[in-house]
Amino acid sequence: GQNIDQPTEMTATEGAIVQINCTYQTSGFNGLFWYQQHAGEAPTFLSYNVLDGLEEKGRFSSFLSRSKGYSYLLLKELQMKDSASYLCAVMDSNYQLIWGAGTKLIIKP
Amino acid sequence: ETGVTQTPRHLVMGMTNKKSLKCEQHLGHNAMYWYKQSAKKPLELMFVYSLEERVENNSVPSRFSPECPNSSHLFLHLHTLQPEDSALYLCASSQDRSSGANVLTFGAGSRLTVL
Repeated sequence: GQNIDQPTEMTATEGAIVQINCTYQTSGFNGLFWYQQHAGEAPTFLSYNVLDGLEEKGRFSSFLSRSKGYSYLLLKELQMKDSASYLCAVMDSNYQLIWGAGTKLIIKP
Repeated sequence: ETGVTQTPRHLVMGMTNKKSLKCEQHLGHNAMYWYKQSAKKPLELMFVYSLEERVENNSVPSRFSPECPNSSHLFLHLHTLQPEDSALYLCASSQDRSSGANVLTFGAGSRLTVL
C-alpha cells in the first residue's frame, strides 16, 4: 500500500532551526509537496520538489531524495507564527495526492 | 482571503437533518475537491471534479452527495449522517487535476459536528 510517515509532534525554540522529516512509499512519483496549516485555517502551499536536492525559499527549505523515499522541511530562525501543522504529500503515478497525517510544530519562547 | 471560500464555517446537525456545505472559488481553476480532515489522520479525498465533471469518488458513503453546478461552485449535501462523520471538511481547487506541480488552494474548512 501507499504510505507517508512524518512525526506527530515536534517542539522547538524561537530563533532556532527545526527539521521535519517525511518518508514515503508510493506507486510512482510525480512530486512531493509541503503545506502549512495554522489551527482553524486553510492549509497553504509551501514547497514542491520533483528533483533531488534542496529548494530554498527564505527561511524555509525543502529537500528531496527520491532514491531514499525521503524529504525534509527545514525552518530557520523560528518565529512564534511558525507554530502550525506541516503536511507532507506525494503525488503518485496516477496524479493522486497521498497525504501524511501532519506534524504539529510547537514553538516555545 | 484565500481565494476559496467555504460556508458555513461551523455546523452542528442531528443524524436525521439535511444540510449542505458550500464552496466557491474565483481563481479560474478547473478542478475542485472535497477532503475530510480528522484529528491526527491524513487528509481523505472524497470527491474530485474536473471541468464540472466528477472524475473521482473514493468510495464515499451515499449520505454524502456532491454537486458542481459550474466551475466556480461546489456543494456537499449531507443527509442522515453518523457521529463518526464529525470532522473538518475542506474544499480545494487547482488549475489542472493531472499535472505534476498541481498546487491546491484550500478553503478554511467547515467544521461539522453530528450529534
